[in-house]
Amino acid sequence: GQNIDQPTEMTATEGAIVQINCTYQTSGFNGLFWYQQHAGEAPTFLSYNVLDGLEEKGRFSSFLSRSKGYSYLLLKELQMKDSASYLCAVRDSNYQLIWGAGTKLIIKP
Amino acid sequence: ETGVTQTPRHLVMGMTNKKSLKCEQHLGHNAMYWYKQSAKKPLELMFVYNFKEQTENNSVPSRFSPECPNSSHLFLHLHTLQPEDSALYLCASSQDRAGEETQYFGPGTRLLVL
Repeated sequence: GQNIDQPTEMTATEGAIVQINCTYQTSGFNGLFWYQQHAGEAPTFLSYNVLDGLEEKGRFSSFLSRSKGYSYLLLKELQMKDSASYLCAVRDSNYQLIWGAGTKLIIKP
Repeated sequence: ETGVTQTPRHLVMGMTNKKSLKCEQHLGHNAMYWYKQSAKKPLELMFVYNFKEQTENNSVPSRFSPECPNSSHLFLHLHTLQPEDSALYLCASSQDRAGEETQYFGPGTRLLVL
């Protein structure tokens, strides 16, 4: 079966750095997405990785290792507004998105 | 504002009611999706339309019936639902089904079935 694993919940301090991990087992791979979802709102696109390595976009970076079936989302200089759920999704060989259950990130002052 | 709107935002219905969810995208996309999101569970893909044609139906019960009259509009018709159908229903769109196409989501309809 296809599976995406990510921690259920994480807590971090304002101004700090946090890394949210995602491991996947899918039938084929055609890219990995990270989305942010604030409570009661739509998921919004954060990043897309299809090649190994680090993609940096402001305070957020996403890393991919296809050989290890592993990705992480790195958030720097955390702000209170970063409190949200972070969803990892992998596009399989049929171009279908397989979603993780999301990681709820709690930021404390 | 992602360019994808959904109505209503909240819906309470009895198990014998019939209601419809509406989604509209203003992005010029060709693919549209219905997802179900339950607490602490992964997003479940329900239906996919590409160029108005249904391309996927992921074993969804017949009490959910999709309709896509054109590339900009998507409906989900609901009838004789069960309490376990209570969830957030998200609509999304993308330029197409393949490639690097990012999906853009609407704000969702929070459905409660009594």
